[in-house]
Amino acid sequence: GIQVEQSPPDLILQEGANSTLRCNFSDSVNNLQWFHQNPWGQLINLFYIPSGTKQNGRLSATTVATERYSLLYISSSQTTDSGVYFCAVVGNQFYFGTGTSLTVIP
Amino acid sequence: DTEVTQTPKHLVMGMTNKKSLKCEQHMGHRAMYWYKQKAKKPPELMFVYSYEKLSINESVPSRFSPECPNSSLLNLHLHALQPEDSALYLCASSPGAGEHYGYTFGSGTRLTVV
Repeated sequence: GIQVEQSPPDLILQEGANSTLRCNFSDSVNNLQWFHQNPWGQLINLFYIPSGTKQNGRLSATTVATERYSLLYISSSQTTDSGVYFCAVVGNQFYFGTGTSLTVIP
Repeated sequence: DTEVTQTPKHLVMGMTNKKSLKCEQHMGHRAMYWYKQKAKKPPELMFVYSYEKLSINESVPSRFSPECPNSSLLNLHLHALQPEDSALYLCASSPGAGEHYGYTFGSGTRLTVV
């Protein structure tokens, strides 16, 4: 199967700080999505981004499919951004990355 | 309706019990999925039900059995579970098995096996 690695594994930010999360994948993929899992377990789809750049409010994502990586940018972080961020790639099935656990402190 | 609804939200069961988890969606999606997630790990795919066909992750033990009564409902029947089966069980749906735009997760069932 496709290997999906995320970095960093853990991240602690002061409220208002910016951050960049990275997702590397081992093979060509049809699609890539970013999810946020809140502390109660709910997985929310943030971006469907097989290539290019998208922005949604304080979040933006860029995927460079030819170089097999994607980046998620969080600007002006808030405590509600805390949780685990997963990227997931689609080959013949959905492959989740290892996750980045983000804690935003007030 | 853009939700995937899972019930119950929490479940505690003994190793000799039989219980069922329920997942429902009304988005007209043709594919539904069950995932298992242990603490601090990514979700692992257990089953895919798409166009009335079931695909199984062969590493999933037979004490888990899915059932799809209709295109909007996917149940997971549990029997003779082990304590290591304690986890968050997530259901998801998508327009089709190869169509992941619009992939939507439920809020999960937290299962504890005692």
